[in-house]
Amino acid sequence: NAGVMQNPRHLVRRRGQEARLRCSPMKGHSHVYWYRQLPEEGLKFMVYLQKENIIDESGMPKERFSAEFPKEGPSILRIQQVVRGDSAAYFCASSPPVVDTQYFGPGTRLTVL
Amino acid sequence: KNEVEQSPQNLTAQEGEFITINCSYSVGISALHWLQQHPGGGIVSLFMLSSGKKKHGRLIATINIQEKHSSLHITASHPRDSAVYICAVRSRSGSRLTFGEGTQLTVNP
Repeated sequence: NAGVMQNPRHLVRRRGQEARLRCSPMKGHSHVYWYRQLPEEGLKFMVYLQKENIIDESGMPKERFSAEFPKEGPSILRIQQVVRGDSAAYFCASSPPVVDTQYFGPGTRLTVL
Repeated sequence: KNEVEQSPQNLTAQEGEFITINCSYSVGISALHWLQQHPGGGIVSLFMLSSGKKKHGRLIATINIQEKHSSLHITASHPRDSAVYICAVRSRSGSRLTFGEGTQLTVNP
């Protein structure tokens, strides 16, 4: 059973471009969480999704950020018109239904030039 | 004041020492997690607690719900234990985790 997969592991974008971060949860996991870790800061919750539903997006910036978890395929965190302040490590975690333990992916390190 | 406070922020120990990292929180929780973040950035879930005590190898985690406090202990510390240890709580009202700022542990040989 492969762990949580994230790709790409490193992503470089210029200001104004779009960034797409992908997360494939562990097999059998239908819950996905996205977290952001800004440089020298702690982890912060962004969004919690189940298949085809956004359950809690209270940690998402109001503009430019969106997330989805389609019926088929990975969860996608999309950042439009990136700015330097979006440079961070973005972690995805997944869990099975009913169980609290979250399994983290290796993260995507986004650098905005 | 953060909902989750960890202490100390930084900890340096000699190999073999007993280590304690503390976590205090201010909200009602359904579970508390201890995570380890390696120097390369990857995150591993060490424990999930809702009461009492759990042990895994040289790691022990305890929680006191009444005092809203948890501790992570490492016995016979080793340089490979060097990492950032993060406390996170899941509130009763939702699924999101709220994280402490982390404790940077360095174990010297």
